[in-house]
Amino acid sequence: QKEVEQDPGPLSVPEGAIVSLNCTYSNSAFQYFMWYRQYSRKGPELLMYTYSSGNKEDGRFTAQVDKSSKYISLFIRDSQPSDSATYLCAMSAANYGQNFVFGPGTRLSVLP
Amino acid sequence: DARVTQTPRHKVTEMGQEVTMRCQPILGHNTVFWYRQTMMQGLELLAYFRNRAPLDDSGMPKDRFSAEMPDATLATLKIQPSEPRDSAVYFCASGFSTTGVTYEQYFGPGTRLTVT
Repeated sequence: QKEVEQDPGPLSVPEGAIVSLNCTYSNSAFQYFMWYRQYSRKGPELLMYTYSSGNKEDGRFTAQVDKSSKYISLFIRDSQPSDSATYLCAMSAANYGQNFVFGPGTRLSVLP
Repeated sequence: DARVTQTPRHKVTEMGQEVTMRCQPILGHNTVFWYRQTMMQGLELLAYFRNRAPLDDSGMPKDRFSAEMPDATLATLKIQPSEPRDSAVYFCASGFSTTGVTYEQYFGPGTRLTVT
């Protein structure tokens, strides 16, 4: 079992839909959680970073962490075609230093 | 518009050849990372530097990979000799941190390496 699992997709939604992207993990020591967006042939771009459990909102994006279920989510409201990209989750623990564990990514297509 | 730059963007080379990839971090950033991304393994940290000092290169195959920061504006990743299994996209990222972990990292566009 990989430390971080993510449905690879592709996930196709109509413009304006609410998108839910998810990651599950096995290491209960993870306490730092990140979401990256990666457009085709580009480098990843940090979207959200959260510590421990709870929700964090930034514009149309909401990151949610449920440590009891070892499950994190990224919600995108009012999705736009420009949100079409691959979304990577990443996690770390106190003793991992800079060695974030990245999920394989979910490819999202938002159709006009 | 500050951004991380990487050269070359694409490299095709034959097995056994030396490959050098270069990265210019964002001015003022003191932490530089090298990552490798493949379909099979995803995104993996190879090495990173803070204030030009190497802090961790445990992700790199030691016998063929080397990473250096000759100055604050240049980081290099070398593979010698290259092998087909090194084919991947190599990303450089930079960030700023005085202590601890750098979470906010800015990635470059990557070098797409193909070793035949």
